Amino acid sequence: DAGVIQSPRHEVTEMGQEVTLRCKPISGHDYLFWYRQTMMRGLELLIYFNNNVPIDDSGMPEDRFSAKMPNASFSTLKIQPSEPRDSAVYFCASSYATGQTQYFGPGTRLLVL
Amino acid sequence: GDSVTQMEGPVTLSEEAFLTINCTYTATGYPSLFWYVQYPGEGLQLLLKATKADDKGSNKGFEATYRKETTSFHLEKGSVQVSDSAVYFCALSGSNDMRFGAGTRLTVKP
Repeated sequence: DAGVIQSPRHEVTEMGQEVTLRCKPISGHDYLFWYRQTMMRGLELLIYFNNNVPIDDSGMPEDRFSAKMPNASFSTLKIQPSEPRDSAVYFCASSYATGQTQYFGPGTRLLVL
Repeated sequence: GDSVTQMEGPVTLSEEAFLTINCTYTATGYPSLFWYVQYPGEGLQLLLKATKADDKGSNKGFEATYRKETTSFHLEKGSVQVSDSAVYFCALSGSNDMRFGAGTRLTVKP
């Protein structure tokens, strides 16, 4: 199994630009999670999906952030417009069920100038 | 709500030293408990887990025992190696999601 796939691995953009992060979960996993990791705030859950439906988006920082999961094998996290404080590593993870082991992708390292 | 508290780092040890990273939890019900490890530049990966009280999870020389009476899941290793240098996260499975601790950075010096 290829594991969770994320793209791009690195993204450098300028403030005000739109950023789209992509994730392909492990096949057969019904849950998909988006996390953000920074030195100051640690690992934060942004949103998670069950069977492509958003279940809890209370961690999404503000309206500039949106996430979609159009099918079982693809999800996007979009930031529009981006700001320097959005600079972080964004992880996608998937699992078979709630409470089960989550498998993390390698992350997207985002730098907003 | 459910939460996890783990000892703050960073922790610096010499090779072959004994490692303990403390983790305590607060939860309703009977969560599963996990230790994840994050190596530099990588995502988190499962190190070990335990699903019920008194279970012991183990992997790569690391061990942790699910202690319901003390609500703890401390990570231990008898002899650390330089390659164990990483950030370690304690986590519990809540009713709908997973709650992670703040992470403890371990550096092992030769």
